[in-house]
Amino acid sequence: EAGVTQFPSHSVIEKGQTVTLRCDPISGHDNLYWYRRVMGKEIKFLLHFVKESKQDESGMPNNRFLAERTGGTYSTLKVQPAELEDSGVYFCASSQGPEQETQYFGPGTRLLVL
Amino acid sequence: AQSVTQLDSHVSVSEGTPVLLRCNYSSSYSPSLFWYVQHPNKGLQLLLKYTSAATLVKGINGFEAEFKKSETSFHLTKPSAHMSDAAEYFCVVSELSGGSYIPTFGRGTSLIVHP
Repeated sequence: EAGVTQFPSHSVIEKGQTVTLRCDPISGHDNLYWYRRVMGKEIKFLLHFVKESKQDESGMPNNRFLAERTGGTYSTLKVQPAELEDSGVYFCASSQGPEQETQYFGPGTRLLVL
Repeated sequence: AQSVTQLDSHVSVSEGTPVLLRCNYSSSYSPSLFWYVQHPNKGLQLLLKYTSAATLVKGINGFEAEFKKSETSFHLTKPSAHMSDAAEYFCVVSELSGGSYIPTFGRGTSLIVHP
């Protein structure tokens, strides 16, 4: 069974540019989560999808971040325009059932904004 | 509100010696607690979880953790470290908030294993 995949693995962009991160969850997993780890800080929750609907987006830092989950399958996280403080590692995770069930994480996308 | 404190940013042990990674939490309700491990360039992998059943939780790769409510601790232990245990470990608390379970991560503890 394929795990959670994320693309790209690394991205280096300049301030003001746009970047789109993609996450493919494990097939059949209705729950999809985005997290971010800024260097030296803890991993923070960004948002949670149940199928194509946003269940909770309380962790999204501001309106420069837009997450979508087309058809309840893969998800994208767009940052537009990117700022220096957006640099960090963006993780995606998926789970089959309720939130307390095991979440399976992808390897992360390392974003560097110059 | 919930929070997690991992008391050590780095822990260094020799192969074959015990491992102790410390975690304290605060939570308004009955939390679920997790330990995850991240090896370089890999995703986070669940080691074990506590969800109000037995207070001593056994996980994968010989790890276990004990939930101590009176001490608000959930320390991770292993009797004998292996070189392959070198990784970063995250303690996580999760409780119901606004209809969703939102996880809160500790800052992580890097485990270094010397031959």
